[in-house]
Amino acid sequence: DGGITQSPKYLFRKEGQNVTLSCEQNLNHDAMYWYRQDPGQGLRLIYYSQIVNDFQKGDIAEGYSVSREKKESFPLTVTSAQKNPTAFYLCASSFLGQPLSSGNTIYFGEGSWLTVV
Amino acid sequence: AQKVTQAQTEISVVEKEDVTLDCVYETRDTTYYLFWYKQPPSGELVFLIRRNSFDEQNEISGRYSWNFQKSTSSFNFTITASQVVDSAVYFCALSEAGHGGSQGNLIFGKGTKLSVKP
Repeated sequence: DGGITQSPKYLFRKEGQNVTLSCEQNLNHDAMYWYRQDPGQGLRLIYYSQIVNDFQKGDIAEGYSVSREKKESFPLTVTSAQKNPTAFYLCASSFLGQPLSSGNTIYFGEGSWLTVV
Repeated sequence: AQKVTQAQTEISVVEKEDVTLDCVYETRDTTYYLFWYKQPPSGELVFLIRRNSFDEQNEISGRYSWNFQKSTSSFNFTITASQVVDSAVYFCALSEAGHGGSQGNLIFGKGTKLSVKP
């Protein structure tokens, strides 16, 4: 089945550790995104990538890093520089370049819960 | 500046009631897209609808309907004859075409938590 797979579902991080969240999609989408969700809040964009080996900062990129070595994969590393990393992280993907009249919807994975211990 | 406001933080209804979730947006672009997503307790965001700014036709899909009014910058979502399975957090989101064409810069509202009681 086509979709977006995030792993792990639950992750615990110790102070000062870097952790990496995996995101894989088999939808042949061009663009991939990482969002952060805090309780009672909407989603905020961390990073996005439109093509392989290229990515752009979103609204809250500080303390995070990404790579896009393959079209299907867009891992997110939460570094020790991120002072408040406890949150729900959602990966998403979409096609690009669709005409206005057609759908260019962003689809989301099931999310990963990160907790600092 | 872009902004999406969902003024209703939580709504509780009894099964079979109709319920409307409000969404008001702000944008300076003439070309933009509006979305509704459903987030059940499992966490995944489920896409419900996408609307572009040039299409003001209202849409109905089963028990769901959407009312897009540019004059009031609103994109409200109505569930008719609500069911327990409709219980979730619902997000309205805005994307402007000017953001590199990626449409990934979704600006989300804070969501409305809908509880449907049997």
